[in-house]
Amino acid sequence: AQKVTQAQTEISVVEKEDVTLDCVYETRDTTYYLFWYKQPPSGELVFLIRRNSFDEQNEISGRYSWNFQKSTSSFNFTITASQVVDSAVYFCALSEALQGAQKLVFGQGTRLTINP
Amino acid sequence: DAGVIQSPRHEVTEMGQEVTLRCKPISGHDYLFWYRQTMMRGLELLIYFNNNVPIDDSGMPEDRFSAKMPNASFSTLKIQPSEPRDSAVYFCASSLAGINTGELFFGEGSRLTVL
Repeated sequence: AQKVTQAQTEISVVEKEDVTLDCVYETRDTTYYLFWYKQPPSGELVFLIRRNSFDEQNEISGRYSWNFQKSTSSFNFTITASQVVDSAVYFCALSEALQGAQKLVFGQGTRLTINP
Repeated sequence: DAGVIQSPRHEVTEMGQEVTLRCKPISGHDYLFWYRQTMMRGLELLIYFNNNVPIDDSGMPEDRFSAKMPNASFSTLKIQPSEPRDSAVYFCASSLAGINTGELFFGEGSRLTVL
């Protein structure tokens, strides 16, 4: 069965620090997708990134970067030079091709607080 | 462009009452999802539709919950009778198939409180 674990329930850092959010997943499928979503205080979840299981290249988008490592079943998310606006709950998610690639299972989320 | 629209944003009701939550997906999207978010259980997928047809309802808690999608622009999630443990934020999301797999667009949620 598919499972996503975000061991960090809450993280609090001071602005401009770098912060890494951990995500570990479990799946029996060889074809799967990994995601990160952001839930700001307004409530709606916002898509950040998707990775498929055949693409282990790390991705960088501005201050955001993602490290996908199949060997450790991890898909970690790093924010460089954090800003107060980055404060939100961040969710890692997984879908499997065999279960329906659109069927996302979410981790419990990590609440990130950036203090000025 | 309008995003996913949910109504009501907030609902307070008494145990035993019927609750209907509504969702209008993004035009042209062919998948629609209902998720429930609570502190204890996190984000749970309740049911999802493809082209108005329910594909997977294994997450629907029990017979008190039902969901319909009569057309491509409207879906409802109904709870009858409601119970205090149903209190949660219910999210509707929509998406396109293909290369955008898994890129869900969420509504702002409907916060349900059952007294």
